[in-house]
Amino acid sequence: DARVTQTPRHKVTEMGQEVTMRCQPILGHNTVFWYRQTMMQGLELLAYFRNRAPLDDSGMPKDRFSAEMPDATLATLKIQPSEPRDSAVYFCASGLAGISLSGNTIYFGEGSWLTVV
Amino acid sequence: DQQVKQNSPSLSVQEGRISILNCDYTNSMFDYFLWYKKYPAEGPTFLISISSIKDKNEDGRFTVFLNKSAKHLSLHIVPSQPGDSAVYFCAAFNNAGGTSYGKLTFGQGTILTVHP
Repeated sequence: DARVTQTPRHKVTEMGQEVTMRCQPILGHNTVFWYRQTMMQGLELLAYFRNRAPLDDSGMPKDRFSAEMPDATLATLKIQPSEPRDSAVYFCASGLAGISLSGNTIYFGEGSWLTVV
Repeated sequence: DQQVKQNSPSLSVQEGRISILNCDYTNSMFDYFLWYKKYPAEGPTFLISISSIKDKNEDGRFTVFLNKSAKHLSLHIVPSQPGDSAVYFCAAFNNAGGTSYGKLTFGQGTILTVHP
């Protein structure tokens, strides 16, 4: 059963600390997304990669957030330094672009629940 | 500017009846639409999708209807079951050229409660 895997599932950290979230996309998918869910904003896109290259990170606060794909099986989202307003659920998702419209489904991971105190 | 709107925050339905969840969008460039179900403490689970070249797609108890002229889509669940109780999100993106693939714009979600 193919799935997107995220770690950690839960993280509580103090303000100012570095936080790294990891994602393993579904094998064979060429597009990886980072979404954030908050009560105020709902689900919003932070960044996404196609064939490991960053395509769009306009939704991400550049001063403290960074996203990378060191290889095809790992995507990371880093926050340094973290702030209480970063408390949210961070979802990784993956999909396969470039095929027929009928196959354009995006699959989400279980999420990383971050609390910054 | 909310490009995808789900105007009903919640919906309550009796088991066995039809559930109809609605979604409106304003961006005419959207050409692919998806519905996700989300349980608390879990990620969104894909339910069903439809491209703009169709006006209906059916998968078991789930049917999605798309009315492009009205910029409106709906999800029908028949018959509704208590296990369908969850938050339902409508999402859309523009697949033209491929570079926008997957840049989902989500609605705010509708909480569906199916009573036994």
